[in-house]
Amino acid sequence: GAGVSQSPSNKVTEKGKDVELRCDPISGHTALYWYRQSLGQGLEFLIYFQGNSAPDKSGLPSDRFSAERTGGSVSTLTIQRTQQEDSAVYLCASSRRDSPTGELFFGEGSRLTVL
Amino acid sequence: QKEVEQNSGPLSVPEGAIASLNCTYSDRGSQSFFWYRQYSGKSPELIMSIYSNGDKEDGRFTAQLNKASQYVSLLIRDSQPSDSATYLCAVRVRSSNTGKLIFGQGTTLQVKP
Repeated sequence: GAGVSQSPSNKVTEKGKDVELRCDPISGHTALYWYRQSLGQGLEFLIYFQGNSAPDKSGLPSDRFSAERTGGSVSTLTIQRTQQEDSAVYLCASSRRDSPTGELFFGEGSRLTVL
Repeated sequence: QKEVEQNSGPLSVPEGAIASLNCTYSDRGSQSFFWYRQYSGKSPELIMSIYSNGDKEDGRFTAQLNKASQYVSLLIRDSQPSDSATYLCAVRVRSSNTGKLIFGQGTTLQVKP
């Protein structure tokens, strides 16, 4: 597609449930990033993929959070046993790894609300 | 100390004025600097990037970088109400071999007609 696509755009879940968030990056972009943005806050880095591997998972807040990427394309962020503090907008971004300028292009985000 | 710091604002300027947005960063070896604009409820949109000391102009926008002072700014000339948004400063730190960007908290700009 022309841009980064994320789904669902909105997700409301009950505390303790598992959720999956999906990201489809720009075609040809080998680098993929997940960020989280809580209300009124900046972007918090979660995880970085280069191809299918994740050399930087340093931002994942707990072991309830995991992510995978398959075929060097689509990525899924999974949050197990959701808590109210997980409520945020989850943003996915992609970039060309060999881009000299290294801009990140963001999707529209998945807004997660944990009741 | 936060890696990237911005004044959260809001910064209010009248239409037609110059808006000046500021950002400081802690990693002296940082190499790449970006300004993103984020409208309420929308995703961040890249508006400027800068890599070397000095000024970089693009239309009504000018990015300024001073690595010695660890300071980067964004000037918006002839501000318009449509410029009202949150402006996020982002830095690619030297220690990162992943290309990840570290973001500031953002500055909210209000341009009043």
